[in-house]
Amino acid sequence: DVQMTQSPSSLSASVGDRVTISCRASQSIVDYVAWYQQTAGKVPKLLIQGASTLQSGVPSRFSGSGAGTDFTLTISNLQPEDAGTYFCQHYKSAPLAFGGGTKVYIK
Amino acid sequence: EVQLVESGGGLVQPGGSLRLSCAASGFNFADFAMHWVRQAPGRGLEWVSGITYHSGTKDYADSVRGRFTISRENAQNILFLEMNALTPDDTAVYYCAKTYWEWVDGFLDYWGQGVRVTVSS
Repeated sequence: DVQMTQSPSSLSASVGDRVTISCRASQSIVDYVAWYQQTAGKVPKLLIQGASTLQSGVPSRFSGSGAGTDFTLTISNLQPEDAGTYFCQHYKSAPLAFGGGTKVYIK
Repeated sequence: EVQLVESGGGLVQPGGSLRLSCAASGFNFADFAMHWVRQAPGRGLEWVSGITYHSGTKDYADSVRGRFTISRENAQNILFLEMNALTPDDTAVYYCAKTYWEWVDGFLDYWGQGVRVTVSS
């Protein structure tokens, strides 16, 4: 089974900063990675699939990259509404798995 | 508009059973695989189970295999999760989620609001 290791577990940044979150798969998953955002008390929202394809309606300050085992979510020009927890997920094959999450705080 | 509405949660004693339902609307339910994902209090997301569009394949996390059963009724647009032999570790908010295509190995493009399950004596 593929395991997803996400880092860091939390970070604090200022409005306007560039933030990067990493996710590493225990084996190659090509580009079968999705990223989700969960803001306080809300349902997870799909941001990116296929490692780098932005979902419709997601601000362009969000971007994803990577292939194989190493993947990155980048938030450029961090905004106050970006505070929350971000999860990666692989969908190469069942069982699916999520990373442990990265909590983003706004200074 | 895609809507997923879970129901059936609540408080149950250890060893007990519960059946969750997810009513789907706004899309052709029979064409898409569906999943259950849970989130324990203050914790991350844990994939629980997935089922293909025609129920031909059902997959489970190791933590629930043999205790939970996923099923669907395409004629009524409903997804189910039968949960038996519940333990306090099963306490979580359970989300119903839709996959983008027919098969289990997919990303989750729509999520329900979640239903809370508490296992406690």
